Amino acid sequence: AQKVTQAQTEISVVEKEDVTLDCVYETRDTTYYLFWYKQPPSGELVFLIRRNSFDEQNEISGRYSWNFQKSTSSFNFTITASQVVDSAVYFCALSANNLFFGTGTRLTVIP
Amino acid sequence: GAGVSQSPRYKVAKRGQDVALRCDPISGHVSLFWYQQALGQGPEFLTYFQNEAQLDKSGLPSDRFFAERPEGSVSTLKIQRTQQEDSAVYLCASSLQGIWTEAFFGQGTRLTVV
Repeated sequence: AQKVTQAQTEISVVEKEDVTLDCVYETRDTTYYLFWYKQPPSGELVFLIRRNSFDEQNEISGRYSWNFQKSTSSFNFTITASQVVDSAVYFCALSANNLFFGTGTRLTVIP
Repeated sequence: GAGVSQSPRYKVAKRGQDVALRCDPISGHVSLFWYQQALGQGPEFLTYFQNEAQLDKSGLPSDRFFAERPEGSVSTLKIQRTQQEDSAVYLCASSLQGIWTEAFFGQGTRLTVV
């Protein structure tokens, strides 16, 4: 069985603060991929990152960084120096036998 | 087109009516997914195609839901005898190859059953 848990339903931060969005997953498969998607108010899901289960290297892309730890089955997402444009719902997803999404975290960045 | 296109963007159906939702994937994308997203929830998997083959339909909530992709390109999600609980946004996504590559999403069809 696959499961993705995003325990934080909503987070509010003040602009320029750092924020971390948590993602915990469950799967019995040894080969899988993890994803983060952003859903802005317009509604279209936008791909942010993909990691495979064999690559635990952390990744940084501009203000975004991701921390993948197999030992804790977590794939957390940090936004540094948040901006108002980061306000959106963020989804973590797991791909083993199909692409399965968590329930999302709504991030509001207050100017 | 450059992205995944879904039509109609909005659909209002009377309870009991049949509806058909269309998805045009990105040209050349082998895989196509349908998701249902209720308000304030994450996308719930419905079904998945590889070319014209429906590899997984385990997420379809009832036999009133049917999806097809007869020529391995455009897909249609059909809902028969719609009920109020079918009200949701229906998202379509396509990927170049399988479930392990990046999926590109359309803007969705918002279905409201009255």
